[in-house]
Amino acid sequence: QVTLKESGPGILQPSQTLSLTCTFSGFSLSTYGMGVGWIRQPSGKGLEWLANIWWDDDKYYNPSLKNRLTISKDTSNNQAFLKITNVDTADTATYYCARIGPTVATFAYWGQGTLVTVSS
Amino acid sequence: DIVMTQSPSSLAVSAGETVTINCKSSQSLLYSGNQKNYLAWYQQKPGQSPKLLIYWASTRQSGVPDRFIGSGSGTDFTLTISSVQAEDLAIYYCQQYYDTPYTFGAGTKLELK
Repeated sequence: QVTLKESGPGILQPSQTLSLTCTFSGFSLSTYGMGVGWIRQPSGKGLEWLANIWWDDDKYYNPSLKNRLTISKDTSNNQAFLKITNVDTADTATYYCARIGPTVATFAYWGQGTLVTVSS
Repeated sequence: DIVMTQSPSSLAVSAGETVTINCKSSQSLLYSGNQKNYLAWYQQKPGQSPKLLIYWASTRQSGVPDRFIGSGSGTDFTLTISSVQAEDLAIYYCQQYYDTPYTFGAGTKLELK
């Protein structure tokens, strides 16, 4: 059974760095063709893709976030991470991690999401 | 970036009706190397995570009822829900995974008439 669960700080202040963790089970990020992505959704709004990391450590980012993103993984502990630097109120959203691949090349399994609020 | 345009933005239906949601991409999502369209449909109910319904434009994800049908190719795609049930009331998103940045449509909210 594939499960993913996001964790984060809940609330942080503008200009701080947001650190998110995705802890998953039921698959390995060392399996050929496997990946994990991060997607966010402000309350009442649509979905925005942020980044993907693949089994071979290949990484892709949304250029709209202008180099503020860093994605990484810890294969042995079944975790993926996302850091967003210099946050502001526009980064307030629910953040999801999701599995990609190996046979379905998009987000087939999603976590429950973690709400992050940026406020002074 | 590939822009995904969904229509309508909302739709009021009665149970048992058939509904059609449209999604148009700003460039073709058909990859010539494998003749697959890199287009997915998701369903999101209030307070829940998105759920993958359709990928490769027309392949139903395991466990998805066969009343959900994806069609289209190139730049024009459709999600058809036949005989809508109350449990289908949700927001539906299309998404392209042809190229990064992956992009989503703005969503179509399916409501009860």
